[in-house]
Amino acid sequence: AQKVTQAQTEISVVEKEDVTLDCVYETRDTTYYLFWYKQPPSGELVFLIRRNSFDEQNEISGRYSWNFQKSTSSFNFTITASQVVDSAVYFCALSGPVGVSGNTGKLIFGQGTTLQVKP
Amino acid sequence: DTGVSQNPRHKITKRGQNVTFRCDPISEHNRLYWYRQTLGQGPEFLTYFQNEAQLEKSRLLSDRFSAERPKGSFSTLEIQRTEQGDSAMYLCASSFRGLDGYTFGSGTRLTVV
Repeated sequence: AQKVTQAQTEISVVEKEDVTLDCVYETRDTTYYLFWYKQPPSGELVFLIRRNSFDEQNEISGRYSWNFQKSTSSFNFTITASQVVDSAVYFCALSGPVGVSGNTGKLIFGQGTTLQVKP
Repeated sequence: DTGVSQNPRHKITKRGQNVTFRCDPISEHNRLYWYRQTLGQGPEFLTYFQNEAQLEKSRLLSDRFSAERPKGSFSTLEIQRTEQGDSAMYLCASSFRGLDGYTFGSGTRLTVV
């Protein structure tokens, strides 16, 4: 069975602090994909990153960085120098290999981490 | 075609009434997913279409729920005899062969009173 755990329910930081959002996943697939989405108060899920299981390189995009470690089944997300506009709910998600063994590519989401960045 | 469109944005209905939501995916996307999100939770998968074929349904999709995607274009999700427990945000997402990120719509927020 596939599962995603985001143990941090809420995090509150002051602007310009760095913050790391944790994500731990479980899957029996050898090929899988990991995602992070941002959900601002407006409700729309905004895609941030997609990482496949064979690519363990860490990625940096501006103030955002992601650390993927297969050994610990973790895919953590760090925001450097946080800003008030980063306040949102962040979801980590997992999908299997689309088209393999009937896998439809549906996303399995964690419960989300609410990040509040105070000015 | 700038994204996934969902209508209506909000729906308030009385318990026992039927409701229907519509999702218009990105035109070249052949894969379409419906999810349900309750307050404080992550989205949960409901059903999946590849073109016009409904290929997977979650156990969350009770007999009161039905989804269609005629001609592989837009999709509708109908809930019959709504219950208060159906109150949630219903999200639609589409993708092209699952090779890229999934694009989500803004959702339809259903309130059953």
